[in-house]
Amino acid sequence: KAGVTQTPRYLIKTRGQQVTLSCSPISGHRSVSWYQQTPGQGLQFLFEYFSETQRNKGNFPGRFSGRQFSNSRSEMNVSTLELGDSALYLCASSLQLGNVGNEQFFGPGTRLTVL
Amino acid sequence: EDQVTQSPEALRLQEGESSSLNCSYTVSGLRGLFWYRQDPGKGPEFLFTLYSAGEEKEKERLKATLTKKESFLHITAPKPEDSATYLCAVQLTGGGNKLTFGTGTQLKVEL
Repeated sequence: KAGVTQTPRYLIKTRGQQVTLSCSPISGHRSVSWYQQTPGQGLQFLFEYFSETQRNKGNFPGRFSGRQFSNSRSEMNVSTLELGDSALYLCASSLQLGNVGNEQFFGPGTRLTVL
Repeated sequence: EDQVTQSPEALRLQEGESSSLNCSYTVSGLRGLFWYRQDPGKGPEFLFTLYSAGEEKEKERLKATLTKKESFLHITAPKPEDSATYLCAVQLTGGGNKLTFGTGTQLKVEL
């Protein structure tokens, strides 16, 4: 079974630009969560989607947004990029939403560098 | 406020030298505790999920245990390929799939 895939793997942008990252979950998985990982803050939850609806949101500004499509693929968008947005963005896939036995599997991440 | 604390921050072991990593948590309602392994530049790799105090799970040289306040990841006779950052995360009751992570333990196993 193929794992979680994320595209692109690396991205370089300049301040003020916007960026869209993509995540394809494991086949059959319907829940997708996004995380930001930085050396200073570690792994922080951005948001979670299930059945095309945002179910949970972390403490990030409105510049961070996302969506999920009917095939469970998800995208996240960051507008008006700031230097502090440089990070590894990780997507996690799981079968269901918040149930016991619901393991979460991460993709390889997208490394975003903002200059 | 929900908190997850991992110790030590870094650990150096000789090959074959067993040890334990600690993850302590203060949360409103625990649904599950997750352990992941992360290699540099890669996404976290799922290891275990524990759901109730007293539960134990094993995989090769790794064994995870859970109490009402903390979890331990025991590494028996480690090898250099066990070198990685080990992350602990909690999933809360009513929190969907959201994971709250600790800052990790960076493990280095030397020959």
